[in-house]
This record gives sequence, structure tokens and C-alpha cells, in this order.
Amino acid sequence: GDSVTQMEGPVTLSEEAFLTINCTYTATGYPSLFWYVQYPGEGLQLLLKATKADDKGSNKGFEATYRKETTSFHLEKGSVQVSDSAVYFCALSRNTGGFKTIFGAGTRLFVKA
Amino acid sequence: EAQVTQNPRYLITVTGKKLTVTCSQNMNHEYMSWYRQDPGLGLRQIYYSMNVEVTDKGDVPEGYKVSRKEKRNFPLILESPSPNQTSLYFCASSLVGFNSPLHFGNGTRLTVT
Repeated sequence: GDSVTQMEGPVTLSEEAFLTINCTYTATGYPSLFWYVQYPGEGLQLLLKATKADDKGSNKGFEATYRKETTSFHLEKGSVQVSDSAVYFCALSRNTGGFKTIFGAGTRLFVKA
Repeated sequence: EAQVTQNPRYLITVTGKKLTVTCSQNMNHEYMSWYRQDPGLGLRQIYYSMNVEVTDKGDVPEGYKVSRKEKRNFPLILESPSPNQTSLYFCASSLVGFNSPLHFGNGTRLTVT
């Protein structure tokens, strides 16, 4: 069945460091891919998405490119801030007759000042 | 303001005492869903609804019930809660379609003793 695998955390970085959070997926067909972010005490909110191969999603300095050949959707940011500390979830969704979103386990990011 | 509202935010109860967690959205979304979030497991879908009076099981439906009598509301019912249902619960909604991102409530932390 469909699945999403993320790198395990926590990831601890210093402010202004480069961030990569790896995400790979298994799915038949052509899913849409998402990154969601969860700040402490809140629900998940959409960070970015990509709906077809080679699409790049971007928001708030974060980017991820839909790579069908490697079934990956890695999240990157060139210079993290303390305010980026949160849990990041990679997810896929595809048409299954209905549709369903599958989430990865989440990666916690700590950014130190 | 577009939002998904869950209540209560925190709930402590005892084994076997029926409870309901309410969820309401003001975005006229057809699709609504309940998830539970447990450490290391990401989000797992409990039930979902594609429209009024249409509900279906997700991956972990045992011990839960839902109803969708109105488009905006999607309550989660635990008829006889057990300690293994202690978790963080999220309601989400979206337009129908696998390209549509989910909008989440702020969560309900349930403890069953």
C-alpha cells in the first residue's frame, strides 16, 4: 500500500544553518505531495505542495521538488530561524476511488539561537 | 476567519464513559476527517466523510463512531473509551480532490484512565 518515510528526528540546527528533511514515498499512479508544519499546541498547517513530477513547491523560504524518478520530496531551507522550530510532516494524497492522505511519522526540528 | 474548530481542547475521562468531541468548519468543505496522532506513528485516519450522510472507515476505526448530519459538523464519538484511545485527535476538512490540502483544527488531547 501507499506509504511515506521521513528521516527520523529530532534535527537540531543553529540559526542560519541549511536544512534538509528527507522524504520518500511509495504509491501507485501520480499522487500529490505535501509538507505540513505543526507548531507547538497547534494543528497541522500546509507549508507547501506539488501536484506533478518536477513541480517545485515553495513557501516562507522552504522548497521541495517532486522527483518521480527517486520517489522523493525532500524539504529544504537555506537559512533556518528559531521560529522554524516545529514538527514537519511529509504527506501524499491520490485518487483511490475516494481520496486519502497518508502522512509520514513527522520530523521535529529544533533551531538554536 | 476560515477555520476548523474542535472542542474540547483537553479531556480527561474514565474507562467506559461515553464522550463526544465536536468538530465544525466554516469553509463549506465537503470532505472532513478525523485523525489520531501518536508519537512515532504520525497521523492515522480514523473516519472520513465525503459529504453529508456519507462516512467511511479509515485505518483505525475500532472503538469510534462518527456522524455527518450537517455539512459543517463532524463529531467523533467514543461509546466506551479505553486507555489505548489516549491520544491527540485532529479534525480536518478540505475540498474534495486529492490536490486539495487539509485544514486542521487545533487538536483535542484525550486521556482515558
